[in-house]
Amino acid sequence: GQQVMQIPQYQHVQEGEDFTTYCNSSTTLSNIQWYKQRPGGHPVFLIQLVKSGEVKKQKRLTFQFGEAKKNSSLHITATQTTDVGTYFCAGRYTGANSKLTFGKGITLSVRP
Amino acid sequence: NAGVTQTPKFQVLKTGQSMTLQCAQDMNHEYMSWYRQDPGMGLRLIHYSVGAGITDQGEVPNGYNVSRSTTEDFPLRLLSAAPSQTSVYFCASSYSYGTDYEQYFGPGTRLTVT
Repeated sequence: GQQVMQIPQYQHVQEGEDFTTYCNSSTTLSNIQWYKQRPGGHPVFLIQLVKSGEVKKQKRLTFQFGEAKKNSSLHITATQTTDVGTYFCAGRYTGANSKLTFGKGITLSVRP
Repeated sequence: NAGVTQTPKFQVLKTGQSMTLQCAQDMNHEYMSWYRQDPGMGLRLIHYSVGAGITDQGEVPNGYNVSRSTTEDFPLRLLSAAPSQTSVYFCASSYSYGTDYEQYFGPGTRLTVT
């Protein structure tokens, strides 16, 4: 079946380090969304990317959609302890009745 | 706006019991969905609805029923609880289904089946 892959599932960084994570699909995506879930909380929408090669920034977070629309990246500059949480990508495939498919997420921990 | 609300926040059931997880939204969203979240499995879609009176199955529908009699409410029913249904359940809504909009998630219900 169609899957959106996020590997690894866990990453630990020192506060102040940069962090990059990727989301990969074997087939072309119509669009991709990113969500953040704080420990004990619920997923919260961060961004949606639609166009090939699209780059969007939110303060220290940079999101990119690949040229082939099969992958996406999230880059955090100078991580802070407030960045702790699980980051999910969710992709929608082309075609009628295609539903949003979530990756398994990457849990980021930040050492102060 | 309260957004998406879910009750209860926590629930413990015995195997074979039934219960309904409540979900409501006050944003007049067409699209509502239920996910379960298990460690290492991400968010898996159980059932969804594109409008009142219309529901469909997601990735893991077995053991769950839904109905959507109003735009606001989308309850999830567990017919006969099993330990495999121990999970955190999230309800989500978005403005529409056909064109992508952000999904708003409720705070979740943490269910344990013993």
